[in-house]
Amino acid sequence: AQRVTQPEKLLSVFKGAPVELKCNYSYSGSPELFWYVQYSRQRLQLLLRHISRESIKGFTADLNKGETSFHLKKPFAQEEDSAMYYCALGEGSGDKLTFGTGTRLAVRP
Amino acid sequence: NAGVTQTPKFRILKIGQSMTLQCAQDMNHNYMYWYRQDPGMGLKLIYYSVGAGITDKGEVPNGYNVSRSTTEDFPLRLELAAPSQTSVYFCASSAQSPGKEQFFGPGTRLTVL
Repeated sequence: AQRVTQPEKLLSVFKGAPVELKCNYSYSGSPELFWYVQYSRQRLQLLLRHISRESIKGFTADLNKGETSFHLKKPFAQEEDSAMYYCALGEGSGDKLTFGTGTRLAVRP
Repeated sequence: NAGVTQTPKFRILKIGQSMTLQCAQDMNHNYMYWYRQDPGMGLKLIYYSVGAGITDKGEVPNGYNVSRSTTEDFPLRLELAAPSQTSVYFCASSAQSPGKEQFFGPGTRLTVL
């Protein structure tokens, strides 16, 4: 069965510090991986997906099939990055998602 | 566009009562989903639909029913509410294409006492 693990419930960093939110997955097929974010009082929304290989709001994530990981990184955290971050795994064509339990990122001034 | 809308925002039910959580989208998306999120947990898929008239079970379908008579609407029905169904419910929709983005509603917070 597919599974997504986010080992940290809370990650607290100072503004300007590097950030790495960890995500590991378990899936027998070819994975499609996503990061979703929920800012305070806003809806859950897509941050980035591995197939796009893009950088959104300074965040990047690289799929490492050998380590079955899809960690989210940003070199310099900003206060506005404070939010809940969820890693998600799409099965098959990616239409069904399995979510991790989420990591709350708190960026302190 | 309103995107994905959900009603109500909050609801308190007594054990054994029934209710329908409404979900609608105006993006002409074929795919729609219902998730529940318990405290400290990730979202779990209850039911999903790939088009009008087609629904399928997700990971945690017990105690729920859905219907999809139109592209726009995807209501979730709780027939006999139980305390275990206390959760936040999210509806989402997506277009039919690989690696597609899911668009989420604001959620419904349901408490069963």
